Formats: sequence, structure tokens, C-alpha cells
Amino acid sequence: NAGVMQNPRHLVRRRGQEARLRCSPMKGHSHVYWYRQLPEEGLKFMVYLQKENIIDESGMPKERFSAEFPKEGPSILRIQQVVRGDSAAYFCASYAGVGANVLTFGAGSRLTVL
Amino acid sequence: KNEVEQSPQNLTAQEGEFITINCSYSVGISALHWLQQHPGGGIVSLFMLSSGKKKHGRLIATINIQEKHSSLHITASHPRDSAVYICAVSSGGSQGNLIFGKGTKLSVKP
Repeated sequence: NAGVMQNPRHLVRRRGQEARLRCSPMKGHSHVYWYRQLPEEGLKFMVYLQKENIIDESGMPKERFSAEFPKEGPSILRIQQVVRGDSAAYFCASYAGVGANVLTFGAGSRLTVL
Repeated sequence: KNEVEQSPQNLTAQEGEFITINCSYSVGISALHWLQQHPGGGIVSLFMLSSGKKKHGRLIATINIQEKHSSLHITASHPRDSAVYICAVSSGGSQGNLIFGKGTKLSVKP
């Protein structure tokens, strides 16, 4: 069981470009969460998805950010027209669902916007 | 005031010492998580608890729901325990909709 896989681990983009971050949950986990850790700040919840559904996007910035978790393939966090303030570490975590007692985190994707 | 407060912010200990990290929260919760973030940035979930006490190896986590307080203890600390320890709570939403503390940076000297 490979755990939660995130890629790319490091991504450099210029202002105005798009960033796509991918997260493959643990086998058997159907719940995915995305978090952002800005430099020198704590982690913040962004969005919660189950297969083909966004369950809670209360932590997502209103513009430029979107997330999906298709029936097949990884969950994707998409940032359009990136700005320097988007530079951060983005973590995803997966969860088996009700009754499970642990979240499993990926290693994170570090986005740098030049 | 943050909804999740940790203390201390920084902690330096000698190898072998008993360590306690505290977490207080001001919201109703369904569960409290202790996480470990390594110097390389990866995050490991140590405990998820909603009552009482859990133990795993040299780590012990306790929670007092009435006092809205949790502690993480490390017995016989070792330099490899050096990391940032983060307390986070699930409050009202799903398990992973977490409110995070700012973390406690632990450094264990040999």
C-alpha cells in the first residue's frame, strides 16, 4: 500500500500560469482533503471531496482555485492565474470514512510562483 | 484569539527527558488530532481521539473534553523526535475539516 501520493513534489510557475497538483488517496479511501500551509503560517483546510463530489469547499478561495476528484484517477487541485501569494505547501490527506480513526497525509506539493 | 492554542511554541529538551505539549481549544469538537511535521515537511498523523487517552510506543495523548484541553507526552525523548507537533480539531464538519494550531517546534539535543 503506497500511501497517499502527491505530485509534483515541487512546482515552479510564473505569475499568470496555471498550477495543477495531484493527489492519489490510499487504496480503499474515498475521502480526500486538501490543505494549504503558507510560509511561516499554520495549516488551513481548503476542500473536502468524495468521488465525483465536492462535499465542503468552505476553505477554498473564491476565485482561481478549483478541485475535483473524478471517478477514475487522482484528485486535482487547480490554481489558475497564479500569483506570488499562492506560493505555499499544499497537502492532501485521505480517510476511509466513518469509523476510521486516522487521516493519512501525503508528502505535500510545494508551489513556488516567480 | 485563535480557536486552537498550543504551548509552548518552541521547546528544547535533552535526550531522555519527558516532554509535554499542550493544546487548548475554544470550540465544540468531534475529535482532536495530533500531527507530526518533520523537518522535510511531511506530515504524519499520530493520534485521533475524542475522549480519554491513547498510547503508541513512547507517545501518549490525553484529552479532557470538559476542560477543552489535550496533552501530548513523549517519554524518553530522542533526537529523532525533533519535529513540529501540531494539534488540530474537527469541529462540526467532516473529520478532515480541521482547525489547526500553530504548532510546537521541538528540538531534542543528544
